[in-house]
Amino acid sequence: QQPVQSPQAVILREGEDAVINCSSSKALYSVHWYRQKHGEAPVFLMILLKGGEQKGHDKISASFNEKKQQSSLYLTASQLSYSGTYFCGTESDVYNFNKFYFGSGTKLNVKP
Amino acid sequence: GAVVSQHPSWVICKSGTSVKIECRSLDFQATTMFWYRQFPKQSLMLMATSNEGSKATYEQGVEKDKFLINHASLTLSTLTVTSAHPEDSSFYICSAREGEAYQPQHFGDGTRLSIL
Repeated sequence: QQPVQSPQAVILREGEDAVINCSSSKALYSVHWYRQKHGEAPVFLMILLKGGEQKGHDKISASFNEKKQQSSLYLTASQLSYSGTYFCGTESDVYNFNKFYFGSGTKLNVKP
Repeated sequence: GAVVSQHPSWVICKSGTSVKIECRSLDFQATTMFWYRQFPKQSLMLMATSNEGSKATYEQGVEKDKFLINHASLTLSTLTVTSAHPEDSSFYICSAREGEAYQPQHFGDGTRLSIL
């Protein structure tokens, strides 16, 4: 039930782009994206609810594919502050929306 | 807005002790609260969810008698690790959600539990 994230880790130079993928073996009702810095609580980034939906703020955006089994997080022109571990979280059942599972995480390291 | 307070931040205690962790939503009413456990460099593993006034729903493999969850009000949930042993040492983190599905979870800062 835990979604699969890829890649596991990414090293970028400041200004470079990155894509993080999150996939499930079954259709998802929603996908959440969070970022966690070392020793801190996860911070909410965005939620996607509809197949085909795309969202973004600043230079971080995400998409939710039509079949609702995959989501991707796009980080454009990365900044040092983007470093951290990114998790997708998924709800897969509209009648059981308390079943929420986090992906394995993607560690992003942005270097000057 | 959407602040969740979790106490204590860390606990060190002897084996056999029971430890209570509090999770409070400070500026919103939390319909649902989630309890997670996180091992170093790993993801958050859902332990249980709780709705105000009802029994918690535990994930498979999580002992109900070991990890007692109480969601007494719309702003407070507690996790009690009963008769804790060294294998219970971990980072425990709660989150709270306002409303039903499709709402973000807001996380507390976590509790680092070390059992000697």
